[in-house]
Amino acid sequence: DQQVKQNSPSLSVQEGRISILNCDYTNSMFDYFLWYKKYPAEGPTFLISISSIKDKNEDGRFTVFLNKSAKHLSLHIVPSQPGDSAVYFCAASPNDMRFGAGTRLTVKP
Amino acid sequence: DTAVSQTPKYLVTQMGNDKSIKCEQNLGHDTMYWYKQDSKKFLKIMFSYNNKELIINETVPNRFSPKSPDKAHLNLHINSLELGDSAVYFCASSQKGQGASYTFGSGTRLTVV
Repeated sequence: DQQVKQNSPSLSVQEGRISILNCDYTNSMFDYFLWYKKYPAEGPTFLISISSIKDKNEDGRFTVFLNKSAKHLSLHIVPSQPGDSAVYFCAASPNDMRFGAGTRLTVKP
Repeated sequence: DTAVSQTPKYLVTQMGNDKSIKCEQNLGHDTMYWYKQDSKKFLKIMFSYNNKELIINETVPNRFSPKSPDKAHLNLHINSLELGDSAVYFCASSQKGQGASYTFGSGTRLTVV
């Protein structure tokens, strides 16, 4: 019963190019969406969020886009850097946060 | 100055034992959580707790119980450990409110043998 889905387990991009990570959700009650980044042997760390009343939020190299009609959001990282290599989790809430399974991003020098 | 700290980081124990994982946050947050990351890497909510209410995910066996001595601590007790309990357990905290981000601990890898 996964309400938040990340269908791509992995993504590899070249340094300097754009990374696009995708996330789909099923629960129309979700009103906040967040992206977390996780390095090995560490807990997830908050990256960026978006409210359901917006369709875009930008913070430096990171931009999150929300398409409510499609129940889809994406995280764009541009330009990608080797230090961005990590697992990225999409999360959604109205109450307790629900997480996707994560996408492992590898940025190659 | 770790914001959310969990101990131990690794825990190896035999089936049938009872164990505890400790969690402390120094952020002044009013809500704490326990998540389980299973072998498929899904992060699943187990409990959320503030000083007013405990919300339990109904899929969590009653062998698991959270204990909160104060607002800064939420420990996880597990009785009669089973092989399927092997996972990474993450503690997190937040200030309850719409869209509040969670701060996670670094996780406890539990291995039941």
